[in-house]
Formats: sequence, C-alpha cells, structure tokens
Amino acid sequence: NAGVTQTPKFRILKIGQSMTLQCTQDMNHNYMYWYRQDPGMGLKLIYYSVGAGITDKGEVPNGYNVSRSTTEDFPLRLELAAPSQTSVYFCASGNTGTSYEQYFGPGTRLTVT
Amino acid sequence: GENVEQHPSTLSVQEGDSAVIKCTYSDSASNYFPWYKQELGKRPQLIIDIRSNVGEKKDQRIAVTLNKTAKHFSLHITETQPEDSAVYFCAAIGGATNKLIFGTGTLLAVQP
Repeated sequence: NAGVTQTPKFRILKIGQSMTLQCTQDMNHNYMYWYRQDPGMGLKLIYYSVGAGITDKGEVPNGYNVSRSTTEDFPLRLELAAPSQTSVYFCASGNTGTSYEQYFGPGTRLTVT
Repeated sequence: GENVEQHPSTLSVQEGDSAVIKCTYSDSASNYFPWYKQELGKRPQLIIDIRSNVGEKKDQRIAVTLNKTAKHFSLHITETQPEDSAVYFCAAIGGATNKLIFGTGTLLAVQP
C-alpha cells in the first residue's frame, strides 16, 4: 500500500493563478481531509469528506474548493491564489468504521508570490 | 465548536528527564484524543491516542492521561532521548463528522 499520496511536493504560484492539489489514498478509507499548516503553527482543517459525493467545510474553507467523485481521490482547488494561501497542505484519510486514526500524506509546500 | 489549547509552546529538557505537555478541550462530547509527532519537514505521525472511556494509556516511554471532568489531557514522555526532539500536537475529535481539531503544538528540544 502506498497510503496517502500527494502531488506536487512543491509549487510556486503567482497571485491570481489557479491550481489543483492532488490527493489519493489506497486504503479504501471513507473519510478524507485537507489541512493547511502555516509556519510554526498547528494544522487547520480546510475541507473534509465522509464519502464519495459528500464534502463539507472545515475551519478555514475560504478560497478553496473540493470534490470527491471517487473513494480514492480528494483534490483541493485554489481558484485565485493569494499570498495568505502560502502554506504546507496535508491531505489525510481515515476509516471511522474501525478507528478514528487519520493517516497523513507527505504534504505539498505552496508559495504564492 | 471544539477548541483545543496546548501548553507549553516550547519545552527544553535534558536527556533522560521527563517531559509533560498539556492540552484542554472545550467540547464535552469529544471522545477521542490523539497525539501527533512532527519532525521538521515531515508529516504528522500518530504516536499515541486515548478514548474518552479510558483514563490512562501507556506505550513504552510514552503515556497519555485524560481527565474528562476537567477536560484536560496530557502527554508524558519519560527518559527522553535526542530523537524525541520534534513538534508535538494534541487533538480532539468528536461527533459524527470526525473532525480533528489540533492544538497549536509544542516544540520539544531534548538536550544531550
């Protein structure tokens, strides 16, 4: 099992550009999450999904969109990048049927200039 | 919604000493409390967790205690080693959504 994978690892965007951060898990988890981690700070939940076709907002959803068309994939879309979105983005997945544990991907480091 | 506070923000100990990190939560319905370790540039890794029906859990040098009445939970690391140096995050989860709310983290430095 690869676990949770994220692409790209690094990205530099100009203000106003758009991009999609990819997240895929091969553990058949029903729950998936997107967090952002600003330097020296904790993780803030952006969006989450409890299953294919179902998404909901977390603590800091503004400026982002998500979709969940399959169990495996949970992409995060930035439409108009702003410097405030410079952060490290972590995707995570979990299966509430057996455990609350969340498994994190390696992260995407995004810089908006 | 849930709010998690974590103290201290930084902690420096000598190798072999114990380290204690404390968290408080606000939602009495929270029922799961994990602790994550994050090394520089790496992803958070679960090191121990506790559910609300348990008061204490131990795994070798690491233990977690939970006081539901006071809504406190703590991480205890004994016989600290330099490789324990990292940022530690507490979190709380509850309800049907399984939304993890994280504390702000504690930077633990173990001095050899």
